[in-house]
Amino acid sequence: QKEVEQNSGPLSVPEGAIASLNCTYSDRVSQSFFWYRQYSGKSPELIMSIYSNGDKEDGRFTAQLNKASQYVSLLIRDSQPSDSATYLCAVPNQAGTALIFGKGTTLSVSS
Amino acid sequence: NAGVTQTPKFRILKIGQSMTLQCAQDMNHNYMYWYRQDPGMGLKLIYYSVGAGITDKGEVPNGYNVSRSTTEDFPLRLELAAPSQTSVYFCASSYSRGGDTEAFFGQGTRLTVV
Repeated sequence: QKEVEQNSGPLSVPEGAIASLNCTYSDRVSQSFFWYRQYSGKSPELIMSIYSNGDKEDGRFTAQLNKASQYVSLLIRDSQPSDSATYLCAVPNQAGTALIFGKGTTLSVSS
Repeated sequence: NAGVTQTPKFRILKIGQSMTLQCAQDMNHNYMYWYRQDPGMGLKLIYYSVGAGITDKGEVPNGYNVSRSTTEDFPLRLELAAPSQTSVYFCASSYSRGGDTEAFFGQGTRLTVV
């Protein structure tokens, strides 16, 4: 059974700072990695996907993948109070037919 | 554009009662999923379906049943509700295999078993 590990936090950063969220996974065959954002009381929404080693940037968000170390991270630059949410890391299950989620890291951005 | 619609949004059940959580999507997605989320926890996969007539168990299937008679609908059945099933339930769908593409989530059903 795959495992996806995240530090539950809370991670607190001041407005304008860089928030760094980390995720490790237990196998070496995953090819796709996803970051979802979930506001309190709401459903998850996809913010980043990454499939190859290295960095992928989308606006203020950067996903970093290191398959050898089984590690994927999400950097949020110029953090805003509206970024305060729980961030869920997800990888495919063994069959590649559904996503397995970590417990999520709660981010709090103070103004 | 409705996306993924779940009903009801809230429900209180007594121990031993049964109910069906409804999920419908209008995006013509083949893949559909049911997850549960307990406080402070991530999403746990209950069941999934890769198309009409095909379902499979996820990480935590005990106490639940599903069916998929149409592409649009994927109901989740609780037969004998137990307090351990108190949770928020999310239905999701994706265009292709769950490991390859974005999953779109419904608004969730908050279930309390007392």
